[in-house]
Amino acid sequence: QKEVEQNSGPLSVPEGAIASLNCTYSDRGSQSFFWYRQYSGKSPELIMSIYSNGDKEDGRFTAQLNKASQYVSLLIRDSQPSDSATYLCAVKNDMRFGAGTRLTVKP
Amino acid sequence: EPEVTQTPSHQVTQMGQEVILRCVPISNHLYFYWYRQILGQKVEFLVSFYNNEISEKSEIFDDQFSVERPDGSNFTLKIRSTKLEDSAMYFCASRGPVNTEAFFGQGTRLTVV
Repeated sequence: QKEVEQNSGPLSVPEGAIASLNCTYSDRGSQSFFWYRQYSGKSPELIMSIYSNGDKEDGRFTAQLNKASQYVSLLIRDSQPSDSATYLCAVKNDMRFGAGTRLTVKP
Repeated sequence: EPEVTQTPSHQVTQMGQEVILRCVPISNHLYFYWYRQILGQKVEFLVSFYNNEISEKSEIFDDQFSVERPDGSNFTLKIRSTKLEDSAMYFCASRGPVNTEAFFGQGTRLTVV
């Protein structure tokens, strides 16, 4: 089983909709979880970090962590075309990424 | 704002040559990483480095690769005897204590011809 798994997409949503991105992980001992965004040709940039079960909100972004089920998700509310990018989930301290989910927000 | 700096931004090398990719992590960061991203593909973990030694490495990181922190500020990735398939973007990242996020450099695009 891969350490970190994401649906590679592509995921397409209309502008203004909620985009939901999911990530599952295999190591039950993982304690830190990160969502990065990568625009084409650019380096990954951090969007959210989450360490405790539950939801963490930052503007239009909400990260959700469920350690019992070993998944972490990212919700993007009121999606904008500028949110079109690949979203990478990283788990635990060795910063291994999932394959990334490519999101397209259509105007 | 502190940032991770990578040089050069683009390196072209002939097959079989050795290349050294350089990174200056954010000062006072403790953990350092190298990643590879072949065009159109995912970001692949190569190696993590802590306390002057490799802490984890992937199956990609074979004897062709080595890392070094030669002077307490630079963090380098050496690729010996480059192959065409080594052509990729290489990202360096650093982070502070445990459970903090990593920051990425802008990458070095390596082209092997």
